[in-house]
Amino acid sequence: QVQLVQSGAEVKKPGASVKVSCKASGYTFTSYDINWVRQATGQGLEWMGWMNPNSGNTGYAQKFQGRVTMTRNTSISTAYMELSSLRSEDTAVYYCARGSKATYPYYYYYYMDVWGKGTTVTVSS
Amino acid sequence: AIRMTQSPSSLSASTGDRVTITCRASQGISSYLAWYQQKPGKAPKLLIYAASTLQSGVPSRFSGSGSGTDFTLTISCLQSEDFATYYCQQYYSYPPITFGPGTKVDIK
Repeated sequence: QVQLVQSGAEVKKPGASVKVSCKASGYTFTSYDINWVRQATGQGLEWMGWMNPNSGNTGYAQKFQGRVTMTRNTSISTAYMELSSLRSEDTAVYYCARGSKATYPYYYYYYMDVWGKGTTVTVSS
Repeated sequence: AIRMTQSPSSLSASTGDRVTITCRASQGISSYLAWYQQKPGKAPKLLIYAASTLQSGVPSRFSGSGSGTDFTLTISCLQSEDFATYYCQQYYSYPPITFGPGTKVDIK
């Protein structure tokens, strides 16, 4: 079945970096975007950015520009999200989500239809 | 960036109730809106996209409507498995994609 399997929980010190992986299966990895969304405890969803696994093109939320890098390894159908200069406010669950399109002649609708189970990142000294 | 608001932030309801959640965008987003359901400790689940298109496998008691700046998610007959938090999300102008703050539906 279609699924995204994320790497395990991480504990990092302030100032360090974390790299979370997201392995896709059950579909053609290069045919759909991968988005990253995070959620602090008790808070809402925050979109971090997206990546086109075919081209490697990325788009990041301004808040994370300069600190986030999204990459992929197409040979193993895996996307990565690396966040640097970690601070306590980065403690959250990080989700990857597949971006799908319903395409029409002059426009398309975009939605996140498959989600990983999340990776908990804890930043603590 | 387009800001999304939701009302109410929480509500209490009973099984069998009809529930309506409102989402408002800070500027017009046509029908570029999705709704997600999230249960505690779980990833969000797509319910509706294009403001009113039901995702495959989602029960028909869920429906969405609206266009422009004002949208609603309706659950026609609340079931026990529907107690969760619901988020709207726009993708008219991205980056960034933005989510609403969420509406928590709990048991009265």
